[in-house]
Amino acid sequence: GAGVSQTPSNKVTEKGKYVELRCDPISGHTALYWYRQSLGQGPEFLIYFQGTGAADDSGLPNDRFFAVRPEGSVSTLKIQRTERGDSAVYLCASSLRFVGQGNTDTQYFGPGTRLTVL
Amino acid sequence: AQTVTQSQPEMSVQEAETVTLSCTYDTSESDYYLFWYKQPPSRQMILVIRQEAYKQQNATENRFSVNFQKAAKSFSLKISDSQLGDAAMYFCAYRSLQSTDKLIFGTGTRLQVFP
Repeated sequence: GAGVSQTPSNKVTEKGKYVELRCDPISGHTALYWYRQSLGQGPEFLIYFQGTGAADDSGLPNDRFFAVRPEGSVSTLKIQRTERGDSAVYLCASSLRFVGQGNTDTQYFGPGTRLTVL
Repeated sequence: AQTVTQSQPEMSVQEAETVTLSCTYDTSESDYYLFWYKQPPSRQMILVIRQEAYKQQNATENRFSVNFQKAAKSFSLKISDSQLGDAAMYFCAYRSLQSTDKLIFGTGTRLQVFP
């Protein structure tokens, strides 16, 4: 089976523009996570979906950031009025999320989207 | 709030030798998971090894093993018989069992492997 995929691989945009980043999780994985990794840092949590609903969005930095997962599979991270400080690698991960069944709750990561805001 | 600290920004090792990467964490919880992830230049985070806090036995995965010291809140990664392909960024991560599944990462250690 395929792993987590993310598109585009790289995105360059201008300050003030709107961007969408897409994540395709591993088939059958009910949980999906978005992280942001700034240069020289570890990934930072943004939002977690269980199925279609956002179970935890405490990591979203402000209301310019929004994410959806309408059918419980593919997710889109949306950033409005981009700022230069939004430049980072955006990582997506998915897991089966059945706690207590061995390694089924391990998070598997995609290759990320590198966002550059000029 | 939980925090994860990796105090070694860079480490280097000779091929076939052993290297240890350090990680400490801070938490008031008694049960949690700890992970080491590897991130090569391709950017994709790859799980190396995981440890459940309730298990006293240190986890091992082939050439990778951990030294988990719960009282000291220390979780180091030992790589034996280092290979050129081990060169990457290594991140230590914490996951609570009392809240959502988010991972809390350290700042990473860049491992270089010399032939």
